Amino acid sequence: DAGITQSPRHKVTETGTPVTLRCHQTENHRYMYWYRQDPGHGLRLIHYSYGVKDTDKGEVSDGYSVSRSKTEDFLLTLESATSSQTSVYFCAISGRGQDTGELFFGEGSRLTVL
Amino acid sequence: AQSVTQLDSHVSVSEGTPVLLRCNYSSSYSPSLFWYVQHPNKGLQLLLKYTSAATLVKGINGFEAEFKKSETSFHLTKPSAHMSDAAEYFCVVSDRWRDDKIIFGKGTRLHILP
Repeated sequence: DAGITQSPRHKVTETGTPVTLRCHQTENHRYMYWYRQDPGHGLRLIHYSYGVKDTDKGEVSDGYSVSRSKTEDFLLTLESATSSQTSVYFCAISGRGQDTGELFFGEGSRLTVL
Repeated sequence: AQSVTQLDSHVSVSEGTPVLLRCNYSSSYSPSLFWYVQHPNKGLQLLLKYTSAATLVKGINGFEAEFKKSETSFHLTKPSAHMSDAAEYFCVVSDRWRDDKIIFGKGTRLHILP
C-alpha cells in the first residue's frame, strides 16, 4: 500500500472556526490531491499540487486553501468552516509515466461542522 | 476542461447475470481513463485503467472496459455478477497533457439481487 496518512481522521468543529487537514506521503510522488466525498456527488476535486509550492484550484475550491512547503506534506485549510463543508475528505497522490493519473488514496478524514 | 458522466446512479442486477455500468467522458486531448470501486465503509480501489494502449482493458475481479473514442465512452462490464460486487463504482478521467486535474464521475451504486 502507498504510504499516505491523513490527520486527523475524525474532527467535529463549530461554524466559523478554522480547520486544517494534513496529508503526509512517503512515496516522494510529485502530484497530490484533495477531494471531498458527498452522497450523490462522487468525489469532487478541491485543490491539487504538482510540486512544492505549486498548487491549483479544482472543481470546488471556494472556502478552501492549500499549501505545500515540502514534497511529503499537503495541507488543506478551511479558513472559516461552514456546515456545507461537512464531508469526508480524501487525499490522494499520483506518480508519472505509464501510471499517469492512477491515484493512491489516504483513508479519509471525516469532518463535521456544527 | 475534462468531465465525466456516469449515466446511471443506481444499477440492479441478479447474481450471475451480466453487469454494465456506463460512462461517457469529455476531454480535449488524449485521456487516461480509470474505474475505481468503493465497498461500503471502505477506501477506493483501482479496478482498471486505460492509458492509450489496448482499447479493451481487463481489470481485477473479472471486470473489463472498452475505450471507444468515437463514442467518447468507457463502459465497465462483467459477464457474471457476484454478491461481492455490490459497491459504488466511479469512472475517472485524467488529461495530463492539458492539466493535472483528475476528475471523478458522480458514481454508480451497483446492487446485486439474490
